[in-house]
Amino acid sequence: EVQLEESGGGLVQPGGSLRLSCSASGFTFGTYAMHWVRQAPGKGLEYVSAITTNGYTTDYADSVKGRFTISRDNSKNTLYLQMSGLRPDDSAIYYCVRDFWGMEVWGQGTTVTVSS
Amino acid sequence: DVVMTQSPLSLPVTLGQPASISCRSSQSLVYSDGNTYLNWFQQRPGQSPRRLIYKVSNRDSGVPDRFSGSGSGTDFTLKISRVEAEDVGVYYCMQGTHWPRRFGQGTKVEIK
Repeated sequence: EVQLEESGGGLVQPGGSLRLSCSASGFTFGTYAMHWVRQAPGKGLEYVSAITTNGYTTDYADSVKGRFTISRDNSKNTLYLQMSGLRPDDSAIYYCVRDFWGMEVWGQGTTVTVSS
Repeated sequence: DVVMTQSPLSLPVTLGQPASISCRSSQSLVYSDGNTYLNWFQQRPGQSPRRLIYKVSNRDSGVPDRFSGSGSGTDFTLKISRVEAEDVGVYYCMQGTHWPRRFGQGTKVEIK
């Protein structure tokens, strides 16, 4: 069974940092591009970032560019999102998503709260 | 950036009746390979999003055939032929042709 399990969320102060992880199982992780998508409380879905299979090419939403870094370790079947300079409007559920003709498989999400 | 505009944003429906959601993009979603990368997602209350449709009209595995997608270029539609109680939730379109990816605002489907 294809599974994506996010972790690393929590409460962090404004200006702080956090690293999210997404552990993949049930498929050959290294053959799929991956995304991070977030959803603020009561709001819609917002694309955050994407990374190609080999990690050489990445993309970011303007709202996180320069503050977030996506990466992956195919030997560990794990996707990462390093977040720094966190702001209250970064508070959201962060989903890890497998790409196949778009955003095919979603994890359950991990919650990030940025507050003092 | 491509802007995705859904309508309506709220859709009260009667059980057993059809429903239709529109999604328009500010640019053509036809990619250089000839494919159109338009996805539809369902998000039930308290759950992660689930993809229903990819490349405009292809249903994902396990998606009931009462869901159908259509459209081309910049205009797309998700139709539910006969709404069931389990269809309550928010529906999003998303373009996968241009960077950055963008979602529509979401359409909340509820039972009258």
